Amino acid sequence: DIQMTQSPSSVSASVGDRVTITCRASQGISSWLAWYQQKPGKAPKLLIYAASSLQSGVPSRFSGSGSGTDFTLTISSLQPEDFATYYCQQANSFPLFGGGTKVEIK
Amino acid sequence: QVQLVQSGAEVKKPGSSVRVSCKASGGPFSSYALNWVRQAPGQGLEWMGAIIPIFGIANHAQKFKGRVNITADKSTTTAYMELSSLRSEDTAVYYCARDFVRVGGTSFPWFDPWGQGTPVTVSS
Repeated sequence: DIQMTQSPSSVSASVGDRVTITCRASQGISSWLAWYQQKPGKAPKLLIYAASSLQSGVPSRFSGSGSGTDFTLTISSLQPEDFATYYCQQANSFPLFGGGTKVEIK
Repeated sequence: QVQLVQSGAEVKKPGSSVRVSCKASGGPFSSYALNWVRQAPGQGLEWMGAIIPIFGIANHAQKFKGRVNITADKSTTTAYMELSSLRSEDTAVYYCARDFVRVGGTSFPWFDPWGQGTPVTVSS
């Protein structure tokens, strides 16, 4: 079975910082990866799909990259509304989420 | 724009069953997979299974096989997830989410939109 490992599990950052979150698959998944943002008490929101495609309406400060086993979500300039938990999800086989990364205020 | 509206919060006893509904409106229902994802308190997201209503056949995560039953009613555009033999570890928020559909109708196994979530508490 594919395993998805996200790192770090949490990160403290300030408004304006560049934040990078990584997701590693235990075997190659091509570009079958999505990223979600979740705020407390809310459903997850799709940010990035197919590893690097920005979902409609998502600010361009969010970007995704990678293929195969290693993937990255980058927030180029952190905004107050970006403090949330982020999850990767592989879709090469049955859907599986990473463990999540909480982006906290420094 | 498809919207998914779920049924309300549930409190159940250990050993019982719970059924959560997810009604779709505003867009196509039958041709695209409807997934169920749960989130235990303070924990991450866990995919449970999915159904494509037009086919009526569900896939389930191995962990839930034998305990989960996912169905769909095309006439009411509503999907259901029933989880049986409940235990305290099943306390979670249960979400439905549709496969992402691009303009043109092609679907992909990313999840958008999502329902608002249904809290299920299992407690004696």
